[in-house]
Amino acid sequence: DSGVTQTPKHLITATGQRVTLRCSPRSGDLSVYWYQQSLDQGLQFLIQYYNGEERAKGNILERFSAQQFPDLHSELNLSSLELGDSALYFCASSPAKSWNTEAFFGQGTRLTVV
Amino acid sequence: AQKVTQAQTEISVVEKEDVTLDCVYETRDTTYYLFWYKQPPSGELVFLIRRNSFDEQNEISGRYSWNFQKSTSSFNFTITASQVVDSAVYFCALIVESGAGSYQLTFGKGTKLSVIP
Repeated sequence: DSGVTQTPKHLITATGQRVTLRCSPRSGDLSVYWYQQSLDQGLQFLIQYYNGEERAKGNILERFSAQQFPDLHSELNLSSLELGDSALYFCASSPAKSWNTEAFFGQGTRLTVV
Repeated sequence: AQKVTQAQTEISVVEKEDVTLDCVYETRDTTYYLFWYKQPPSGELVFLIRRNSFDEQNEISGRYSWNFQKSTSSFNFTITASQVVDSAVYFCALIVESGAGSYQLTFGKGTKLSVIP
């Protein structure tokens, strides 16, 4: 158990809808990272938050947004969903701001858009 | 632009054999980080190692070892005396700072390792 909790584990929704994925980082970790893993695109980094502020941005679509709350949990919001958004979404956390530390991953949320 | 190539899509070995997973990267930056991750059949990602571009020292951790060679832009991963529990998809990743504290992270497509008992 990495200590990172993601909910829900599975989500099925229709095209055009909006969903929210939640991530609770390990106790004491200030950084949260979001990743997408799909058959087409492989693994992609979406975005990083550190202590409530956006720290780094990757290949995140404009239809997607994220935030990190004062209690350090994070949410990834996906809107106007398309079939191609079906993927496994991972959250990871680490204590530091930069990438040169180990990050711990949650079990992922599998999103299916039908 | 950054690129990570894991040319081996799938590898099968018999238990106790040694196996090397290749990772070749491309970047024009002189400061970067390289990572290896493991994704077992259960699906979660597990961090294995991080190496920065200024540290070419090879590393050994139990049955795992990593060979970082800047001259060939490679960061290969060797498992000695493989075990069934090593069966997983292994990803190599490159991180480059793209300015103003931002980072660009590029993953390879992964190598699926099957260790046969």
